[in-house]
Amino acid sequence: GQQVMQIPQYQHVQEGEDFTTYCNSSTTLSNIQWYKQRPGGHPVFLIQLVKSGEVKKQKRLTFQFGEAKKNSSLHITATQTTDVGTYFCAGRFSGAGSYQLTFGKGTKLSVIP
Amino acid sequence: KAGVTQTPRYLIKTRGQQVTLSCSPISGHRSVSWYQQTPGQGLQFLFEYFSETQRNKGNFPGRFSGRQFSNSRSEMNVSTLELGDSALYLCASSTGLAFAYEQYFGPGTRLTVT
Repeated sequence: GQQVMQIPQYQHVQEGEDFTTYCNSSTTLSNIQWYKQRPGGHPVFLIQLVKSGEVKKQKRLTFQFGEAKKNSSLHITATQTTDVGTYFCAGRFSGAGSYQLTFGKGTKLSVIP
Repeated sequence: KAGVTQTPRYLIKTRGQQVTLSCSPISGHRSVSWYQQTPGQGLQFLFEYFSETQRNKGNFPGRFSGRQFSNSRSEMNVSTLELGDSALYLCASSTGLAFAYEQYFGPGTRLTVT
């Protein structure tokens, strides 16, 4: 079936370094959502991207949706220990005839103080 | 505004038994989605209910079923439990269909099948 691939699976960074996670699909996505799950917690919605080439910023977080709407990225500038957690992307495949979200397997971020 | 609540939070069942999990969405939210989360498979979509109707269904066997009541509360049922059903079951509510709206997740029900 259709999948959303997310890389890397794990990332360890020194506090203050930047971090990027990527989400890729072989099929066009109508939109993409990003979630963060802290250890022992539940996913929390971060943002939704809908337009081709869209870029949105939330403080140190920058989200991009590719021009072809097949990939997306989340970039964190100057990581802090509060950024620790797993970041998930979730997309809906265009023209799929269904309206469900497919989640990537997530990128687990560790920040070394 | 109260968040999404799920009951019970923890459950231990024996293989072959059945289980019912409950989810109360945020007031005013009409969509409830269910997910299974395991370390190996990540977050997998089970189904979504909107206004008491199942709108979307993931690739899970028929042993997994759900329903939504007129007050938007939802239940999911797993019959003939298997060891592989051990997982964290999360429900999420949203004002509209989940693919287009921000989802608010509950704390989950941790199911262990022995």
